[in-house]
Amino acid sequence: GAGVSQSPSNKVTEKGKDVELRCDPISGHTALYWYRQSLGQGLEFLIYFQGNSAPDKSGLPSDRFSAERTGGSVSTLTIQRTQQEDSAVYLCASSPYGNRGRSTDTQYFGPGTRLTVL
Amino acid sequence: KNQVEQSPQSLIILEGKNCTLQCNYTVSPFSNLRWYKQDTGRGPVSLTIMTFSENTKSNGRYTATLDADTKQSSLHITASQLSDSASYICVVSGGGSQGNLIFGKGTKLSVKP
Repeated sequence: GAGVSQSPSNKVTEKGKDVELRCDPISGHTALYWYRQSLGQGLEFLIYFQGNSAPDKSGLPSDRFSAERTGGSVSTLTIQRTQQEDSAVYLCASSPYGNRGRSTDTQYFGPGTRLTVL
Repeated sequence: KNQVEQSPQSLIILEGKNCTLQCNYTVSPFSNLRWYKQDTGRGPVSLTIMTFSENTKSNGRYTATLDADTKQSSLHITASQLSDSASYICVVSGGGSQGNLIFGKGTKLSVKP
């Protein structure tokens, strides 16, 4: 596709339910990132995938959060037993080279998924 | 602690006027500094990326400056347009893992006719 796409655009769920958020990066980009943006806050890093390397999971806030990237392309962020504090916009970004390129590798962001936990 | 502070938090200007947004950071080590524009309901879009050796970089009506000694950056918008209304986010990279990007909370700019 022309850009990074995410689905769903909006998700409302009840506390305790599991949710899956999907990200389709730009074709050919080796690096993929997940961020969380809470109201009035800056973007919070969650997880980073670089090609076939082990992902950098240092930003995941708890073991309820997990992510995978299949075939080096599509990624799914899963939140188990959702809590109200998980409500936020979840943004995905991809970049051509990630760590294997220049440090100024440009990130391209998707439109985000707005998650509301009731 | 690695931090990126932006000011002002919000700003209202009239169409056609210029404005300057500020970013101070304490990230170390420093690799590069980025400015993003985020329209409401959209993902951020990269405006400029500057490394340690770059003092200024322009992208159309947007000009970013960097003083790595004082750890300050500014984003100057010339001849503002209604479409400039957005949040402007300063991001500092500490190098290493691409996950090591520290995001500011952004400045919300409103351009009025």
